[in-house]
Amino acid sequence: DGGITQSPKYLFRKEGQNVTLSCEQNLNHDAMYWYRQDPGQGLRLIYYSQIVNDFQKGDIAEGYSVSREKKESFPLTVTSAQKNPTAFYLCASSLQGQTEAFFGQGTRLTVV
Amino acid sequence: DAKTTQPNSMESNEEEPVHLPCNHSTISGTDYIHWYRQLPSQGPEYVIHGLTSNVNNRMASLAIAEDRKSSTLILHRATLRDAAVYYCILRDAGRGNDYKLSFGAGTTVTVRA
Repeated sequence: DGGITQSPKYLFRKEGQNVTLSCEQNLNHDAMYWYRQDPGQGLRLIYYSQIVNDFQKGDIAEGYSVSREKKESFPLTVTSAQKNPTAFYLCASSLQGQTEAFFGQGTRLTVV
Repeated sequence: DAKTTQPNSMESNEEEPVHLPCNHSTISGTDYIHWYRQLPSQGPEYVIHGLTSNVNNRMASLAIAEDRKSSTLILHRATLRDAAVYYCILRDAGRGNDYKLSFGAGTTVTVRA
């Protein structure tokens, strides 16, 4: 089935460690996005990518890094520089134009 | 980015219609109005989108004001499964614009049985 897959669903890390969240899509979508969601809050855009080997900072990029080496993959690394990394992370993808964006089921990251 | 403003929360009774307002007074001529909803602990899902004319699909209807400075998502008969956070966002289709997709806080809809 076509879709967008995030893994793992739950992730625990020790403070000070970098961690990479996976996002894969087989929808042949050009654009991919990463969002952070804190309890009771809306989605905040971290990074987005329109094409392979290109990406732009969103509204809260500090402490995060991404890569887009393949069209279907857009991994997010939460670095030790991110001061409050515990959150729900969502990945999305879309085609060009005014088509809908598809979201993964999210990764809940807990840093202890 | 053009911004949207939504009420924080709304309540409805089951089987009754729900009208969710969204203000976007700074909307540009190339901005489309999109609605998504998010169930608890899940990723958002697309609901509907439109440019100028009212739109209907199996999930909802979108009524767009003539001046496009506001819109209303209409759920015709609310069910308990419609309890979610609803987001109204603008997507710019103008030439040369990128695909940035920003969300606000949304409206939390509660449906009473």
